[in-house]
Amino acid sequence: DIRMTQSPASLSASLGETVNIECLASEDIYSDLAWYQQKPGKSPQLLIYNANSLQNGVPSRFSGSGSGTQYSLKINSLQSEDVATYFCQQYNNYPPYTFGAGTKLELK
Amino acid sequence: EVKLVESGGGLVQPGRSLKLSCAASGFSFNDYWMGWVRQAPGKGLEWIGEINQDSSTINYTPSLKDKFTISRDNAQNTLYLQMSKLGSEDTAIYYCASTVVTGYFDYWGQGVMVTVSS
Repeated sequence: DIRMTQSPASLSASLGETVNIECLASEDIYSDLAWYQQKPGKSPQLLIYNANSLQNGVPSRFSGSGSGTQYSLKINSLQSEDVATYFCQQYNNYPPYTFGAGTKLELK
Repeated sequence: EVKLVESGGGLVQPGRSLKLSCAASGFSFNDYWMGWVRQAPGKGLEWIGEINQDSSTINYTPSLKDKFTISRDNAQNTLYLQMSKLGSEDTAIYYCASTVVTGYFDYWGQGVMVTVSS
């Protein structure tokens, strides 16, 4: 299985700040990477697919980048509604399609 | 509006079986891959498996292949997850999700809780 290592496991940021979350794959996943946001008590929501494509309806302050084994999710101008846990997922090599362990984002 | 509604969860004894359903509406169910993902309490997401539009391709995470069976009924716009030989490690919220192509999931249900305990 491809291992997805997310960092940091948690972070605290202030409103208006820029936040970066990293995801490292154990092998090249050729940009077959998605990012999800999960708010407390809710189901995950797709933010980014194919490493850098923004899902319809997702605010433009979210962006994804990366290639090979290294990927990142960037949140510009952090809003209170962005408090959530974020997961990356690779879908290049399966089964299974594997998720990262998650990054819990809180407000400072 | 895309809607995925899971049902069939609850408390089940170890070693027993349970079948989850996922009713889909608001999109052309026949055109989508469908899948299941679970999340143990306070933990991350675990990909269970997926099924293509005509059920000709079904993929599972290897560790669950002998316990779980995914199926679908396109006439009823419903996805199923048959779970057998359940153990405490299967206690989780189970989500159904849809995808246009195999890979990422673009829509998710609200989830259904399964608790395996005597």
